[in-house]
Amino acid sequence: AQSVTQLDSQVPVFEEAPVELRCNYSSSVSVYLFWYVQYPNQGLQLLLKYLSGSTLVESINGFEAEFNKSQTSFHLRKPSVHISDTAEYFCAVSTLSGGYNKLIFGAGTRLAVHP
Amino acid sequence: DAMVIQNPRYQVTQFGKPVTLSCSQTLNHNVMYWYQQKSSQAPKLLFHYYDKDFNNEADTPDNFQSRRPNTSFCFLDIRSPGLGDAAMYLCATSRVAVQGEQYFGPGTRLTVT
Repeated sequence: AQSVTQLDSQVPVFEEAPVELRCNYSSSVSVYLFWYVQYPNQGLQLLLKYLSGSTLVESINGFEAEFNKSQTSFHLRKPSVHISDTAEYFCAVSTLSGGYNKLIFGAGTRLAVHP
Repeated sequence: DAMVIQNPRYQVTQFGKPVTLSCSQTLNHNVMYWYQQKSSQAPKLLFHYYDKDFNNEADTPDNFQSRRPNTSFCFLDIRSPGLGDAAMYLCATSRVAVQGEQYFGPGTRLTVT
């Protein structure tokens, strides 16, 4: 069975500092990996995804994640965070089952950016 | 813009009083999902529709039901809400052919008094 582990429940960081949110997964088959962001009282927004090809994927707002098959990881990084990046971040793995896509989410990491 | 819409954004109901949450989409996606998200937790899949085929997760309580009258709309019915059902309810959609990407609505926060 597939599972996702987000190693940090909370990550406090100062504005303009770099950040890494860690995600490890377990799967016996090919995986598709995602990072979603959730701002307070809102739904989840797709931040970036790995389906195939280049192992480094980037988002439009400066985040990037690297798929590492040997370490079964998909860590999220940003070289310089802003106050507006404060949110909950969920790593997820997808499996195609019975004709639909089932997402398995990690428990989430709360990123708190301080001035 | 194509999107997933949930109404209402905030819903208050009384203990035991049936409540219906609504989701609509303009993406024309085959699959629609309902998730329950409690405070500081990951979303938990309740069930989904693949076109008209309903798929219930094994641990979803019988108190939760769903209807999908057409491609665009999907409803979540809670027959007798308990205090433990207070949560954010998220609707999502996906195209079968796309590997895993789901599009989420803004959610409905349910309060049970």
